[in-house]
Amino acid sequence: GAVVSQHPSWVICKSGTSVKIECRSLDFQATTMFWYRQFPKQSLMLMATSNEGSKATYEQGVEKDKFLINHASLTLSTLTVTSAHPEDSSFYICSASASGGETQYFGPGTRLLVL
Amino acid sequence: ILNVEQSPQSLHVQEGDSTNFTCSFPSSNFYALHWYRWETAKSPEALFVMTLNGDEKKKGRISATLNTKEGYSYLYIKGSQPEDSATYLCVTRYNFNKFYFGSGTKLNVKP
Repeated sequence: GAVVSQHPSWVICKSGTSVKIECRSLDFQATTMFWYRQFPKQSLMLMATSNEGSKATYEQGVEKDKFLINHASLTLSTLTVTSAHPEDSSFYICSASASGGETQYFGPGTRLLVL
Repeated sequence: ILNVEQSPQSLHVQEGDSTNFTCSFPSSNFYALHWYRWETAKSPEALFVMTLNGDEKKKGRISATLNTKEGYSYLYIKGSQPEDSATYLCVTRYNFNKFYFGSGTKLNVKP
């Protein structure tokens, strides 16, 4: 149980385009979803936390207009990188937790390369 | 930003060896600590969550301990097997509902 999928697993796009990444909880209802980013040789860094039906809470330094997060249902959250630039190239990974649950269940991640 | 440090960064052991590694974290406002196993191209897998000082958890050959007063947790693997090869991540949560990740310990178990 507690499986989280993420799609796509990798994406290459041109600078200036937008990219949408989906995160789905397959067998549980995820009241909270988290989006992380990891640059090479660094730790996972939390970008934002989203609760179903509410606006996401962004971490300091993360532009909410650039990284659009939607958590419209209990099983799906999306992260859209708008007008992507090469410096946005990174590994993006989501996690989900159920109501009252402490454990986060992670997706497999999405590797984004912006040319 | 709080520093969660894991050591060593990487570890190479022979099949059958027992091994352990460390997660150090600031103890002020501590709420919970998680250990995850992250194999390449897969999702991180939750191993343990611990909250109380002195907590010990065990799952098969893997066990973990927690010291919240001095701010460290140990992860032990008894009789390492090649399938234990992965990156082991430590994540701490604080009362202000923030999560902080260590950079992981990469374990390679040679047959």
